[in-house]
Amino acid sequence: ETGVTQSPTHLIKTRGQQVTLRCSSQSGHNTVSWYQQALGQGPQFIFQYYREEENGRGNFPPRFSGLQFPNYSSELNVNALELDDSALYLCASSFPSGEGETQYFGPGTRLLVL
Amino acid sequence: GDSVTQMEGPVTLSEEAFLTINCTYTATGYPSLFWYVQYPGEGLQLLLKATKADDKGSNKGFEATYRKETTSFHLEKGSVQVSDSAVYFCALTRAGGYNKLIFGAGTRLAVHP
Repeated sequence: ETGVTQSPTHLIKTRGQQVTLRCSSQSGHNTVSWYQQALGQGPQFIFQYYREEENGRGNFPPRFSGLQFPNYSSELNVNALELDDSALYLCASSFPSGEGETQYFGPGTRLLVL
Repeated sequence: GDSVTQMEGPVTLSEEAFLTINCTYTATGYPSLFWYVQYPGEGLQLLLKATKADDKGSNKGFEATYRKETTSFHLEKGSVQVSDSAVYFCALTRAGGYNKLIFGAGTRLAVHP
């Protein structure tokens, strides 16, 4: 069984640019959530996709957008990058199972904005 | 809103010492509670979880009990190893709706031989 994978592992961009991060969910999982983890902090929820539809969104501006594809893989797009967007971006996949549903995390993409 | 508060780190222990990392939460209803661990340079791994009051989650020698009366989910291990050195995150998901994880700030544990 393949776990959650993310690409690329590291990325350097300059302020104002756009970036696309990718995530492949674990086999059998139809839900993908994205989190932003700033250095020394806990992950913050960005949004969740369930069966190709956005299912919930955290307190992030519209320049953070996403997609989920029919194979349940997902993309996170960030436009007009700002210095504060520098962080580890984590993707997690799951299958709806009610209370205590476990989310399985990928290794993350580390984004540096200069 | 819902939140999780963890004890500040770093926590520095000698091998075989007893570990406690405190976690308290604020949430409406009956959240599910989790401990995740992050090893250097890696993503998060689920360590244990509990979904209702008085449940005890356990894994790899770690334990935590869901205490509704004190809104706590403290992580404990009787004898830590150097390989337990990592950052530990307490988290919750609210009952009902989509399962958005709300994390604490994390507690760094360093275990020395």
